[in-house]
Amino acid sequence: AQSVTQLGSHVSVSEGALVLLRCNYSSSVPPYLFWYVQYPNQGLQLLLKYTSAATLVKGINGFEAEFKKSETSFHLTKPSAHMSDAAEYFCAVRAYYGGSQGNLIFGKGTKLSVKP
Amino acid sequence: DVKVTQSSRYLVKRTGEKVFLECVQDMDHENMFWYRQDPGLGLRLIYFSYDVKMKEKGDIPEGYSVSREKKERFSLILESASTNQTSMYLCASRLANEQFFGPGTRLTVL
Repeated sequence: AQSVTQLGSHVSVSEGALVLLRCNYSSSVPPYLFWYVQYPNQGLQLLLKYTSAATLVKGINGFEAEFKKSETSFHLTKPSAHMSDAAEYFCAVRAYYGGSQGNLIFGKGTKLSVKP
Repeated sequence: DVKVTQSSRYLVKRTGEKVFLECVQDMDHENMFWYRQDPGLGLRLIYFSYDVKMKEKGDIPEGYSVSREKKERFSLILESASTNQTSMYLCASRLANEQFFGPGTRLTVL
């Protein structure tokens, strides 16, 4: 079975500071991993995905994530935060078992605040 | 661009009412999903469908049913709404490894 843990339900950074949102996964098979962003009162939008190609994945809006198998991590980073990055971020892993094959298993989310 | 639309952004219903949430996607995707989203709990899968008239229970199907009569439309039904079903409901469709989400319906049951 697969699972995802996001460390920190709330993260606050200053504008221009590094953004680091943590995600650890559990999977008995090579995982497919995703980061989604949700702006207030909107649905989820895909930021980036790892599907067993390059371990450093670049996404939209300057975000990137690095797959580290030894640490079972897929942390999301951005060098310099903008006010517009304030949103909730979800890490997800693709399910590989039973009737749920291909479904996504989501973490509980991390709300990012950006201070001026 | 893929578009997933949901019939209402905000909905207020009374306890015991039958509630229909509609979702339509325009990209001929076979797989569609209904999630509910609650603070601190993330997204939890209610039901999904991998083809017309096919449905599978997700993690929290109790109190819900679904209907998929046409490929583009996936409906979530609350047979008798209860206050603990007050939540944000998100619909998604899937192509390969990517899910595309609608804007969500915020349902309040009084």
